[in-house]
Amino acid sequence: DAKTTQPNSMESNEEEPVHLPCNHSTISGTDYIHWYRQLPSQGPEYVIHGLTSNVNNRMASLAIAEDRKSSTLILHRATLRDAAVYYCILRDVGDDKIIFGKGTRLHILP
Amino acid sequence: DTGVSQNPRHKITKRGQNVTFRCDPISEHNRLYWYRQTLGQGPEFLTYFQNEAQLEKSRLLSDRFSAERPKGSFSTLEIQRTEQGDSAMYLCASSFEGQRDTQYFGPGTRLTVL
Repeated sequence: DAKTTQPNSMESNEEEPVHLPCNHSTISGTDYIHWYRQLPSQGPEYVIHGLTSNVNNRMASLAIAEDRKSSTLILHRATLRDAAVYYCILRDVGDDKIIFGKGTRLHILP
Repeated sequence: DTGVSQNPRHKITKRGQNVTFRCDPISEHNRLYWYRQTLGQGPEFLTYFQNEAQLEKSRLLSDRFSAERPKGSFSTLEIQRTEQGDSAMYLCASSFEGQRDTQYFGPGTRLTVL
């Protein structure tokens, strides 16, 4: 399975944008980039995914580098409820399971 | 629909006992997944079903673990002869094949083996 590299932890101030980086230099052409997050004492929650183009939804934006070797999850205006572990995941188009890494623990400062 | 539910939410057992967990997926989701998560780690894939068929099992799933989905709806995960190393959060997720990119997770069952 292709691997991703994320910082162990990050801090951000409430109501400011947050940029969560992810490196995936061994990504293959059929790997989708997925982001999930896990709030305290809850199961993981889908955030967003993309292949080549940048993606936006109501939760976040995903910016994908032109060479696809890195991506950034953008939370436009962080709230205290966004404090969670964020997982960047590569999933081949034919693969059903999710291989999680350790993710980035995001702390939001009031 | 209220999402994926798991029961019990917490289970404490003594080493050597058998335990069984239940997962009720989102209705009409034909895929169901089991993961295990230990403290400080991301979830690890254990196994998954499409309808009632178990399509893949991880090497992590020892012969003490068995999962079933007899009617293609709810699923059970049984651990026989529990060991202290089995202590973890057991997570269930479901997805609809047509939208299999997105898995919806339940709140998990936390197992503590004494």
